[in-house]
Amino acid sequence: AQSVTQPDIHITVSEGASLELRCNYSYGATPYLFWYVQSPGQGLQLLLKYFSGDTLVQGIKGFEAEFKRSQSSFNLRKPSVHWSDAAEYFCAVGAVRHSGGSNYKLTFGKGTLLTVNP
Amino acid sequence: KAGVTQTPRYLIKTRGQQVTLSCSPISGHRSVSWYQQTPGQGLQFLFEYFSETQRNKGNFPGRFSGRQFSNSRSEMNVSTLELGDSALYLCASSLSTDITDTQYFGPGTRLTVL
Repeated sequence: AQSVTQPDIHITVSEGASLELRCNYSYGATPYLFWYVQSPGQGLQLLLKYFSGDTLVQGIKGFEAEFKRSQSSFNLRKPSVHWSDAAEYFCAVGAVRHSGGSNYKLTFGKGTLLTVNP
Repeated sequence: KAGVTQTPRYLIKTRGQQVTLSCSPISGHRSVSWYQQTPGQGLQFLFEYFSETQRNKGNFPGRFSGRQFSNSRSEMNVSTLELGDSALYLCASSLSTDITDTQYFGPGTRLTVL
């Protein structure tokens, strides 16, 4: 069965500093990887996703993530954090039941809470 | 285009009662998935519906059930509520069941069981 580990429960950075959120996954086949963000009282919003191809993926709000198969990692990065980035971030892996990319479910990590200091 | 809407946003129930939550997907989306979010277990997949059929199911007891209507709106039902069912229930919609289709999440329904 697939699993996702986000080693950091809580990270605090200063506004303008760089950010890296770690994500490690366990999945037997080629993974479908996602990063979502959740602001207080809100649902999840997709930041970026990786299916295949270029291992460096660009997302919304200036975020990017790099897929490293050898390390089973999909870390999220941002060069300069803004106060509005304070939220909880979730990494997820999609497990596909059938070929062709249909009938899947997402397995989420426990999340990393990001606090941004002014 | 309107996003995913969930009703009600907040619910308080007592143990042993049952509850029904509703989800209206984005117009044109035919797949609806449900997730439970708790501080201890995090986000867990409940089930997915497409064209009124359950296509995938997570590891939850039979007290958790759902259905989808012909207009793609979905409901989930929890019977014989337990304290541990207190959670944020999130609904997500996508165009199809293809993993490449982005899932759009609603704001959730906060269920408190007393």
